[in-house]
Amino acid sequence: SQELEQSPQSLIVQEGKNLTINCTSSKTLYGLYWYKQKYGEGLIFLMMLQKGGEEKSHEKITAKLDEKKQQSSLHITASQPSHAGIYLCGADPDFNKFYFGSGTKLNVKP
Amino acid sequence: DADVTQTPRNRITKTGKRIMLECSQTKGHDRMYWYRQDPGLGLRLIYYSFDVKDINKGEISDGYSVSRQAQAKFSLSLESAIPNQTALYFCATSDRRAGLGANVLTFGAGSRLTVL
Repeated sequence: SQELEQSPQSLIVQEGKNLTINCTSSKTLYGLYWYKQKYGEGLIFLMMLQKGGEEKSHEKITAKLDEKKQQSSLHITASQPSHAGIYLCGADPDFNKFYFGSGTKLNVKP
Repeated sequence: DADVTQTPRNRITKTGKRIMLECSQTKGHDRMYWYRQDPGLGLRLIYYSFDVKDINKGEISDGYSVSRQAQAKFSLSLESAIPNQTALYFCATSDRRAGLGANVLTFGAGSRLTVL
């Protein structure tokens, strides 16, 4: 089965600091998706990466997909308390299923 | 109103009881999914459906069943609930016209189930 490994599992940063979350696949991906979940709530779609080397940004969050399309990173610049939550990467290795990594819990200290 | 609505949002039940979690969507999407989330384990796929007549098992379907009553409705049942089915359950939808690699899922707010 498709496996997505995320690191770190949890992260505590001081407000204003930068941080990076990684997602690694054992297989080449058609697409890599990033979602954010506020604690106990539903998932919100952040970004989708499809091409090797692709980079997308939304406000202070930037996601990149490597050239081999097996690794993605999510970078948050100047973190804020509103960035706190669980970040999950997901992938659809075929038309049948959609898998997620185990998630990274982010806490931002004011 | 939310695009994907799950009911109930919270439910406490006892071991052996039958439970149904319901999901309805206004997105017009043909694909629907049920996931469960446990702490530290991300989301695991239980069942997925591509249309009313197409239902498939996911990674962890044992102990669960589903029904796709209409394109917009997909329900998850626990025939005889057990404590290790205590989890947060999510319904999601996507549009098959989006294509592989562009398959953005839209999630409901989740149903928290506790089995005592």
